[in-house]
Amino acid sequence: GAVVSQHPSWVICKSGTSVKIECRSLDFQATTMFWYRQFPKQSLMLMATSNEGSKATYEQGVEKDKFLINHASLTLSTLTVTSAHPEDSSFYICSATPQGYQETQYFGPGTRLLVL
Amino acid sequence: AQSVTQPDIHITVSEGASLELRCNYSYGATPYLFWYVQSPGQGLQLLLKYFSGDTLVQGIKGFEAEFKRSQSSFNLRKPSVHWSDAAEYFCAVGAGGYQKVTFGIGTKLQVIP
Repeated sequence: GAVVSQHPSWVICKSGTSVKIECRSLDFQATTMFWYRQFPKQSLMLMATSNEGSKATYEQGVEKDKFLINHASLTLSTLTVTSAHPEDSSFYICSATPQGYQETQYFGPGTRLLVL
Repeated sequence: AQSVTQPDIHITVSEGASLELRCNYSYGATPYLFWYVQSPGQGLQLLLKYFSGDTLVQGIKGFEAEFKRSQSSFNLRKPSVHWSDAAEYFCAVGAGGYQKVTFGIGTKLQVIP
């Protein structure tokens, strides 16, 4: 149980284009989802907290207009990297917290983004 | 603000040897503590967690961790390491509820024959 999927697993795009990453909780409902970014050989940096049906809460330094987050249902959150640039290349990981078990986050497998 | 320190960036152990990965945290109240493992190019898998109760926590894959409040530590241990344990291990601390979790920088474990 508590499986989280991400799609796509990797994506290559041209600079200036937008990329959408999906995060789904497959066997549970997630009131809260989190989006992280991980640079090579570094830890996870929280980008934003996403609650179903409301606006995401972004961490300091994260551009809201660049990283659009939508949490339209209890099983799906999306992260859209708008007008991507090479410096946005990174490993993006989402996590989801099951309803009633809010202390524990379950992580997706991650999406590797390469912007050319 | 909460923080996590993993003092060992890289550890090498022989297969079959015991393992201890160190984690120290800073948090003003009783913390929620986690250990996650990440294989190359993969997401994070929860190994174990501590919220309250018995300070020795058993996890998956034969791992255990002990919460020591006096030392602000939550070290991860395994009595006999297998080659498949080679991965990166992250300690994390949270405030509970739907609160964000802060991760340590990670410890990369290498297992040699």
